[in-house]
Amino acid sequence: NAGVMQNPRHLVRRRGQEARLRCSPMKGHSHVYWYRQLPEEGLKFMVYLQKENIIDESGMPKERFSAEFPKEGPSILRIQQVVRGDSAAYFCASSRDGAYNEQFFGPGTRLTVL
Amino acid sequence: GQQVMQIPQYQHVQEGEDFTTYCNSSTTLSNIQWYKQRPGGHPVFLIQLVKSGEVKKQKRLTFQFGEAKKNSSLHITATQTTDVGTYFCADNEKLTFGTGTRLTIIP
Repeated sequence: NAGVMQNPRHLVRRRGQEARLRCSPMKGHSHVYWYRQLPEEGLKFMVYLQKENIIDESGMPKERFSAEFPKEGPSILRIQQVVRGDSAAYFCASSRDGAYNEQFFGPGTRLTVL
Repeated sequence: GQQVMQIPQYQHVQEGEDFTTYCNSSTTLSNIQWYKQRPGGHPVFLIQLVKSGEVKKQKRLTFQFGEAKKNSSLHITATQTTDVGTYFCADNEKLTFGTGTRLTIIP
């Protein structure tokens, strides 16, 4: 049973470009969470999605950031017009039954904005 | 808003010594989870505590949940080099992670 998959593992973008981060949850998991981790810091919750629905986006910046989890295919975290401050590791996690349960994390995408 | 603080932020210990990290929440927790993140890696779930005063053990690791459900601790007995990493507590109901304690081991 494959774990949570994220791609790309490393992404380099220039300021003003768009970044698309993909996350495929574990088989049988319909709940996906995105977190951001700055170097030497903790995990900051961004958004919680269930298939085709955004459950909680309270941690996501209002501008430039969006997330989706379509009926088919991976969850996508999209960052438009990236800035240097967006450089971070972005982790996706999934769970079977919702936020009260164990979250399985993917390997993360390390985004570097030049 | 809710804050989940962990102390200490960093801990350096000699191999074989014990290690403890403490997690404190400004609000009462429904339950608490603990995760470990190795350097360069991703968080890995360790355990979930639900009941007030609950104590759980995993080999050399002992987890406690406070009576008031506002604090928790993780204690590692006789640390080994494989214990290196950052330990996070998390209020998964509010999807809030603690600030983490980074453990380094001196061989």
